[in-house]
Amino acid sequence: NAGVMQNPRHLVRRRGQEARLRCSPMKGHSHVYWYRQLPEEGLKFMVYLQKENIIDESGMPKERFSAEFPKEGPSILRIQQVVRGDSAAYFCASSPDGTGIYEQYFGPGTRLTVT
Amino acid sequence: AQSVTQLDSHVSVSEGTPVLLRCNYSSSYSPSLFWYVQHPNKGLQLLLKYTSAATLVKGINGFEAEFKKSETSFHLTKPSAHMSDAAEYFCVGGTSYDKVIFGPGTSLSVIP
Repeated sequence: NAGVMQNPRHLVRRRGQEARLRCSPMKGHSHVYWYRQLPEEGLKFMVYLQKENIIDESGMPKERFSAEFPKEGPSILRIQQVVRGDSAAYFCASSPDGTGIYEQYFGPGTRLTVT
Repeated sequence: AQSVTQLDSHVSVSEGTPVLLRCNYSSSYSPSLFWYVQHPNKGLQLLLKYTSAATLVKGINGFEAEFKKSETSFHLTKPSAHMSDAAEYFCVGGTSYDKVIFGPGTSLSVIP
């Protein structure tokens, strides 16, 4: 099992550009969670998705951020018109069911740098 | 407020000697506690978890951790270090997917 895959591992964007972060869950997992780690801070929950459904987006900024988990393909975290404050490490995790934290497997993260 | 503290940012042990990675937590109520390991360029792998069923938790690769409420600790141990144990270790606390707190991590080096 290849584990949770994230790509790219490092992403550099200029202010105003769009960033697309991809997360492929572990085989057999249909639940995906995105977290953000700002410099000097711990991981913060952003969004929880199942295939074709957003279950909980209470941690997502209201503007410029969106996430999807289509029936086929990876989950995508999209950040439009990036700003310097979006620079962070973005981690995704997957679980086989809705037990969340008790059976989560994390990817290696994508480090976004906004210049 | 919840917090997770890992007392050592770096630990170095000789191969075959015991490993101790320290973790303390603070919480107004008992959280679930986890240890994850991250090898270079890999994702976080769950080593073990405490969910109030038993205070001594056995995980993969010979690791175990003991939950001590009186000391608010959840230290990770292994009797004999192996070269493949060299990695970054994270203590994690939380009560649900949206309330997860990662410790800052401890880098373990194993000297041959």
